[in-house]
Amino acid sequence: QVQLQESGPGLVKPSETLSLTCAVSGYSISSGYYWGWIRQPPGKGLEWIGSIYHSGSTYYNPSLKSRVTISVDTSKNQFSLKLSSVTAADTAVYYCARVVVTIYDAFDIWGQGTMVTVSS
Amino acid sequence: SSELTQDPAVSVALGQTVRITCQGDSLRSYYASWYQQKPGQAPVLVIYGKNNRPSGIPDRFSGSSSGNTASLTITGAQAEDEADYYCNSRDSSGNHPFGGGTKLTVL
Repeated sequence: QVQLQESGPGLVKPSETLSLTCAVSGYSISSGYYWGWIRQPPGKGLEWIGSIYHSGSTYYNPSLKSRVTISVDTSKNQFSLKLSSVTAADTAVYYCARVVVTIYDAFDIWGQGTMVTVSS
Repeated sequence: SSELTQDPAVSVALGQTVRITCQGDSLRSYYASWYQQKPGQAPVLVIYGKNNRPSGIPDRFSGSSSGNTASLTITGAQAEDEADYYCNSRDSSGNHPFGGGTKLTVL
């Protein structure tokens, strides 16, 4: 049974860098699939942040691209998100998910999400 | 354009059929996937590909597509289907934007 678990600080100061990790269990990241980050501001919809393949190739939301870095650590079976120069607008629940990319695409397994608040 | 457009809210009488739509240019080339999200919970994949349901998703959920519009149909809506529903699709750049979401109310 594949499970994903987000972890990281729940409070980040404005202008600093938000850093989150998604630990994957029950499946080896290096075996395939893309792995993605999605966020949801309070009371708002889902926003795709970006995705990474186990080889390291990435896709980023154009609106966030200048501030986002997603990386993968196959030795620890986890992948990470860094979002720089955060503001209050980056306050959200952050989810990690496994991304199927074939003739059809889907975020088939999700973590439970972690709330990150940007505030001084 | 990678934008996906959904109606903000839809309602359905208990036991009736409801269709939730998603419009976008990318849907002419790529399948949509659909996600159900209940308050305080992570989204759950309910439909992917042409019309595929993950294990555990009731068969009252189905998907279809025509032109630039993808649809999620719930046949015989139940009270537990009340939730927010989001579509998602790949665009020509390999990105995966979500639609704005549709709040489904079961009356």
